[in-house]
Amino acid sequence: DADVTQTPRNRITKTGKRIMLECSQTKGHDRMYWYRQDPGLGLQLIYYSFDVKDINKGEISDGYSVSRQAQAKFSLSLESAIPNQTALYFCATSDFFVTSPGELFFGEGSRLTVL
Amino acid sequence: AQKVTQAQTEISVVEKEDVTLDCVYETRDTTYYLFWYKQPPSGELVFLIRRNSFDEQNEISGRYSWNFQKSTSSFNFTITASQVVDSAVYFCALSEALFMDSSYKLIFGSGTRLLVRP
Repeated sequence: DADVTQTPRNRITKTGKRIMLECSQTKGHDRMYWYRQDPGLGLQLIYYSFDVKDINKGEISDGYSVSRQAQAKFSLSLESAIPNQTALYFCATSDFFVTSPGELFFGEGSRLTVL
Repeated sequence: AQKVTQAQTEISVVEKEDVTLDCVYETRDTTYYLFWYKQPPSGELVFLIRRNSFDEQNEISGRYSWNFQKSTSSFNFTITASQVVDSAVYFCALSEALFMDSSYKLIFGSGTRLLVRP
């Protein structure tokens, strides 16, 4: 089983619908992230969380919200989906080291299409 | 602001050729970290290397090597004797310090798509 699991892997929805992408991890990491990948733009950070009570906006948080339900779970919501939110979404986790950033461990991605 | 530039959008080579993927970065941090990730056609992201700003030694891992040059703010990645399985999108990333407690986030470049033809 994957250490970082995302559900659903693929979703097609309509404009205006609420959609939730879920992420769970078994790595025991405190730090979790949501990234969005668009062709030619690389990965952009949406939200990140360093522990259960910590939520931080990334570069492109508008139109998104998150919930950190437990150390192992971090969900991303689109309250009212719009077509330009069509993208590949990645959840990631990392360990914490006092003096350096740990590597990111990514889920397999959730492909979202908004019609 | 922190920035990572991967100017090569797409590279196509024939198997067994050597290929270098360029990465140029901008940062205001005195201590920072650079990463490379690989995204094969299956879509997952695979960690390749992490390098800190104090270590300018080149790194070699099998057919992969990395050249870090602070003077030119570059962290280039070379694949020697490329193989079809190397076909993927490769991302360079830079750490950005968030707080005084050494927290970081990663800033990614736009990626370089490498196609290795048989």
